[in-house]
Amino acid sequence: IAGITQAPTSQILAAGRRMTLRCTQDMRHNAMYWYRQDLGLGLRLIHYSNTAGTTGKGEVPDGYSVSRANTDDFPLTLASAVPSQTSVYFCASSGGDNSGANVLTFGAGSRLTVL
Amino acid sequence: GQNIDQPTEMTATEGAIVQINCTYQTSGFNGLFWYQQHAGEAPTFLSYNVLDGLEEKGRFSSFLSRSKGYSYLLLKELQMKDSASYLCAAMDSNYQLIWGAGTKLIIKP
Repeated sequence: IAGITQAPTSQILAAGRRMTLRCTQDMRHNAMYWYRQDLGLGLRLIHYSNTAGTTGKGEVPDGYSVSRANTDDFPLTLASAVPSQTSVYFCASSGGDNSGANVLTFGAGSRLTVL
Repeated sequence: GQNIDQPTEMTATEGAIVQINCTYQTSGFNGLFWYQQHAGEAPTFLSYNVLDGLEEKGRFSSFLSRSKGYSYLLLKELQMKDSASYLCAAMDSNYQLIWGAGTKLIIKP
């Protein structure tokens, strides 16, 4: 089934630990995104990639890094987790043709708790 | 700054009609999206408007007024499965999405 796979589904992590959230899509979409979703706030863009080999910073990039070695994979790394990074993380992809009809397909989300 | 406003929560009765409003302020405008998100699940695309007017898609319709910076999502013949959060997002001149916090819709029998 075409779509986006995220892993892990949920994780509890000690502060200071390094964590990588994985995201893989099989739709050959050019653009990929990482969002965090917190109660009472809209989705906030962390990092994005318009095409393989390129990445960009979103609204809340501090403490996170990404890489885009190929079209399918877009991992998000927390180098040293802090409690404020407790959130639900969504990976998304789109055709990335920069048209207004740039519909996002989301993964199921990764719930991260940092203690 | 850029901003999206939508009500935090709404309640409606099964079989009725509900309208969820969204106002936006963005630097430039390239369209307005509505997504549905059931609790604990990913958002899924519902509609896209870039021109003024009403777009109808089954029980769901979406309206846009660019001059007023206003959109609404209209849900008819409400079903219990429509209980979800509805996210409004506007695309700015850089094709970046600005998201509202979502409207939680509670459907009562």
